Amino acid sequence: DQQVKQNSPSLSVQEGRISILNCDYTNSMFDYFLWYKKYPAEGPTFLISISSIKDKNEDGRFTVFLNKSAKHLSLHIVPSQPGDSAVYFCAASVPYQAGTALIFGKGTTLSVSS
Amino acid sequence: KAGVTQTPRYLIKTRGQQVTLSCSPISGHRSVSWYQQTPGQGLQFLFEYFSETQRNKGNFPGRFSGRQFSNSRSEMNVSTLELGDSALYLCASSLFPGNNEQYFGPGTRLTVT
Repeated sequence: DQQVKQNSPSLSVQEGRISILNCDYTNSMFDYFLWYKKYPAEGPTFLISISSIKDKNEDGRFTVFLNKSAKHLSLHIVPSQPGDSAVYFCAASVPYQAGTALIFGKGTTLSVSS
Repeated sequence: KAGVTQTPRYLIKTRGQQVTLSCSPISGHRSVSWYQQTPGQGLQFLFEYFSETQRNKGNFPGRFSGRQFSNSRSEMNVSTLELGDSALYLCASSLFPGNNEQYFGPGTRLTVT
């Protein structure tokens, strides 16, 4: 069963508008979350992260919100730009056999049209 | 500083064969993780190496194995290839285990026919 879920495979927005990408997780013990962006033919690139001691983290146009009670996080991109078109992966740092490992969602493809 | 490099970038193999993929981490990074990306399953964790030792292993059969060398370079091996092993294999490096900000290479696209 998937521990990190991105239920929207795709999202289309217009340039200048807000993009909201959602992610749900199953285990309330998860305490660190990350967003990665991936362009075709490239590896994922780290975008922004959030610890469970916070409910918001901001970096320029990117803001991640964490709702621990709902086990939900979201990535807001404001304003959206055509260059933001990519696949976005949500990941959780989870306890593993030794230390931690990253568990990823299946990704959401964002398309920003000009 | 050079990024994570992976070789080869593309590979075509036949069912039953074996394959070895290579990953060179960012200089100074000592932890290397491997992931498999498929359209249906997304990014799935394969294993993590640190100090030439496998620390963690994901839910994959024993046909998937890896190793790490003293210079932190890593290889992964898949034996007795199956059609379902066709995927993008990504390597990521970080300074040390448990450092959540991992830096990914471009991946090796493996096609099994």
